[in-house]
Amino acid sequence: EPEVTQTPSHQVTQMGQEVILRCVPISNHLYFYWYRQILGQKVEFLVSFYNNEISEKSEIFDDQFSVERPDGSNFTLKIRSTKLEDSAMYFCASASDSTYEQYFGPGTRLTVT
Amino acid sequence: AQSVTQLGSHVSVSEGALVLLRCNYSSSVPPYLFWYVQYPNQGLQLLLKYTTGATLVKGINGFEAEFKKSETSFHLTKPSAHMSDAAEYFCAVTLNSGTYKYIFGTGTRLKVLA
Repeated sequence: EPEVTQTPSHQVTQMGQEVILRCVPISNHLYFYWYRQILGQKVEFLVSFYNNEISEKSEIFDDQFSVERPDGSNFTLKIRSTKLEDSAMYFCASASDSTYEQYFGPGTRLTVT
Repeated sequence: AQSVTQLGSHVSVSEGALVLLRCNYSSSVPPYLFWYVQYPNQGLQLLLKYTTGATLVKGINGFEAEFKKSETSFHLTKPSAHMSDAAEYFCAVTLNSGTYKYIFGTGTRLKVLA
């Protein structure tokens, strides 16, 4: 069964460093998403991506964040200068155009020290 | 704006007892509704979904949920709890338009007592 994959599973970085979180969505899907979950809190929407551009972003997704689909298979989330409060689990999700069901990856746990 | 409320951040039930996890939503248009389960240190797994049609939907692992428009609810139930059901459960809503982003509830941690 096709699945969404994410790498790395755990990333530790120092405050102010840039990180790139990688996702490989399901191959025939057209909608892509990033969510985050701060420890003990709910899952929050960050950004959606469709037709090679951002279709919606939340207030959390400020200028420090960017997304890319560089090669038609990977979907990346970049944080330019990490802050302590960026520590969270980041989930990638994808969906086809015919259902509203999003398939989630296993997540990347980002720890900013 | 859409929102999701899950009453009870922690629910404990005895093994074999009924599981009832509550979810209420707020939406100006008919939403699509989902329940996801998250086991410790794992990602989100879809339990079940409601889009259109039959309001009682059945999912994996014996769970089911009923969409009640008049009550704006989508409560999750399972007749008999099993130890392996211990996990965190999230209700989510999306609209049939726009980007289909999910709005999640705050989650309910289910504990199953032997």
